[in-house]
Amino acid sequence: DAKTTQPPSMDCAEGRAANLPCNHSTISGNEYVYWYRQIHSQGPQYIIHGLKNNETNEMASLIITEDRKSSTLILPHATLRDTAVYYCIVRDPGTYKYIFGTGTRLKVLA
Amino acid sequence: EAGVTQFPSHSVIEKGQTVTLRCDPISGHDNLYWYRRVMGKEIKFLLHFVKESKQDESGMPNNRFLAERTGGTYSTLKVQPAELEDSGVYFCASSQTGGLAYPRGHEQFFGPGTRLTVL
Repeated sequence: DAKTTQPPSMDCAEGRAANLPCNHSTISGNEYVYWYRQIHSQGPQYIIHGLKNNETNEMASLIITEDRKSSTLILPHATLRDTAVYYCIVRDPGTYKYIFGTGTRLKVLA
Repeated sequence: EAGVTQFPSHSVIEKGQTVTLRCDPISGHDNLYWYRRVMGKEIKFLLHFVKESKQDESGMPNNRFLAERTGGTYSTLKVQPAELEDSGVYFCASSQTGGLAYPRGHEQFFGPGTRLTVL
């Protein structure tokens, strides 16, 4: 079973920040949080991942709460091309497999 | 650098026939994974190779599915005989070697998938 919970859908105005929440209340101390997105029927695309500290790359920022029970993916200036399903994944360090949940369907509106 | 490639992109076969899907991982990636999404369901893990060895095949649905990775390069996933419920999109992913304690968490990179339709 997926270890994460995400809202099924969200809308965001183009040019605004999109903040996608994820709950992972059962996360353990050495489990990473990964974010991927899937556009149309393409393969999942890696966005960012983190363990404890907040992370930023050219695509997004990842904010992880101090207790690590939740995180937020931030797309600072959403564009129409960011419309996709976004997955938050917690990977058990004892195994390499990803367990996908249902994700959040983000729709960026013009 | 080329990403993960998969062939074919689409396959339509009759129930009872055999289909072989191919995945070419990113060069230098020892870890190779197969996932699939059947209609209306979540993406599910099938199995994981480290080089040519099966590390975890806990997600393989039954013995009609056979995955191989000879020589530790590309991988094939054969379905024989195919059933209607096997229809879906099959994704392959790869990641670098790093071991379970790899500090950066070795993210997986996915291919575009193969859409399999069994009639």
